[in-house]
Amino acid sequence: DAGITQSPRYKITETGRQVTLMCHQTWSHSYMFWYRQDLGHGLRLIYYSAAADITDKGEVPDGYVVSRSKTENFPLTLESATRSQTSVYFCASTPTWDTGTDTQYFGPGTRLTVL
Amino acid sequence: AQSVTQLGSHVSVSEGALVLLRCNYSSSVPPYLFWYVQYPNQGLQLLLKYTSAATLVKGINGFEAEFKKSETSFHLTKPSAHMSDAAEYFCAVGTGFQKLVFGTGTRLLVSP
Repeated sequence: DAGITQSPRYKITETGRQVTLMCHQTWSHSYMFWYRQDLGHGLRLIYYSAAADITDKGEVPDGYVVSRSKTENFPLTLESATRSQTSVYFCASTPTWDTGTDTQYFGPGTRLTVL
Repeated sequence: AQSVTQLGSHVSVSEGALVLLRCNYSSSVPPYLFWYVQYPNQGLQLLLKYTSAATLVKGINGFEAEFKKSETSFHLTKPSAHMSDAAEYFCAVGTGFQKLVFGTGTRLLVSP
C-alpha cells in the first residue's frame, strides 16, 4: 500500500516488557518522526530521523529507542514498558525539515496500553 | 521558545453555523503556523499553513485562518459547519519539523 503505515494498530502489554512499534513509508522521504499523543498535551516529539542511520532525540525520548537501517522503516522500541507510556503513538514523514515548503504526513497511529 | 495556546478544549456548533477555533502563539522569530485536523482513529492531516506569503490563508474543506501579528493569533474559521467537520483540530508553530510545537487540541462537535 502506498503511504505511511503503522503496526500494530492496537497493543496491550505489561509493565517491564519490550515492545516495538513499526512504521513504514513508501515515498522514500528522508525525515521520519515519532510522536506520542496524550490528553492535555497534544503531540510531543519522541525521536526523529533525518536519513538512514541518523537519529536524534525530541522532547520526550526517555524510555524509548529508535533505529533506521532502511529509509522506509523507522521502528520505535520501548525497552521496558511503563504505565506512563500508555499513549497513542504516531509516525510521520516528510521529504525535508523545511516547514515552509514541505508537508508532514502522518500514519494512522498505534494505541498502546501498558498494564 | 515557541508555544501555542488553543482556547477551548471543546467547541460545539450547529450545522450551518460559523466555526471559530482559537489559537494564540508565542515565538521569538517570524513563525510558520499550521492547523491540522484529526478524524477519529486517524492520523493528523494538514488543513493549512502560514509561511508569511499572505496573512489570510485558505485551506482544504472551506477552512481559512488569518495571521494577526499584533494579536499573536492564528484563528481557524469556516463560514458554515458541516457534520463532516466534527473532528479534533490542532494548531502548531515551528520553523522546522523537528521543532514543531503542537497545541493541546480543540474538539469540534457539530449538531444537526
